[in-house]
Amino acid sequence: DAGVIQSPRHEVTEMGQEVTLRCKPISGHDYLFWYRQTMMRGLELLIYFNNNVPIDDSGMPEDRFSAKMPNASFSTLKIQPSEPRDSAVYFCASSYLGAEYFGPGTRLTVT
Amino acid sequence: GQQLNQSPQSMFIQEGEDVSMNCTSSSIFNTWLWYKQEPGEGPVLLIALYKAGELTSNGRLTAQFGITRKDSFLNISASIPSDVGIYFCAGQIETSGSRLTFGEGTQLTVNP
Repeated sequence: DAGVIQSPRHEVTEMGQEVTLRCKPISGHDYLFWYRQTMMRGLELLIYFNNNVPIDDSGMPEDRFSAKMPNASFSTLKIQPSEPRDSAVYFCASSYLGAEYFGPGTRLTVT
Repeated sequence: GQQLNQSPQSMFIQEGEDVSMNCTSSSIFNTWLWYKQEPGEGPVLLIALYKAGELTSNGRLTAQFGITRKDSFLNISASIPSDVGIYFCAGQIETSGSRLTFGEGTQLTVNP
């Protein structure tokens, strides 16, 4: 298996622009998680899905953030409009029976 | 919120030495996981533990699920330079469903 696939690996955008991060989970995994990692706050859970249904989005910072999972093999995290404080590494992870497997991350820089 | 106390925060050791790190909590866990993260990469799962008292090895790594279900440790034997990275513990708290709670990480530096 190729593991969790994320794209793009790096994104640089200007404040106010829309950003879309993409994730393909490991086939057969029934949970998908979106995390954000910064030096200041460490690894933060933003939202997670079970069988494509959002279960807990309490970690989503504000309404500028939204996530979708239209099918079992694809999820997006969208930030609109983006702000400099959104700069971070965003990870997608998928799991089956509790063990989460992380993608390589998307490093987002908002200038 | 729920917290995991991971220690030590950082370790500087010589190649060949053994390493031990641990995580404790006031909450009861159903699962304990140990991850390693290298610069520019996502956390990589090293060991998963599912039962209290379980002791599992993966090469030079050994981890245990504490009998009280509130702690776990990770040992690395005969460290090598490529062991450098940040090690995270994580677990599923009994009352928190499927989400993981992460420790703050142990930064390991191995001097050749």
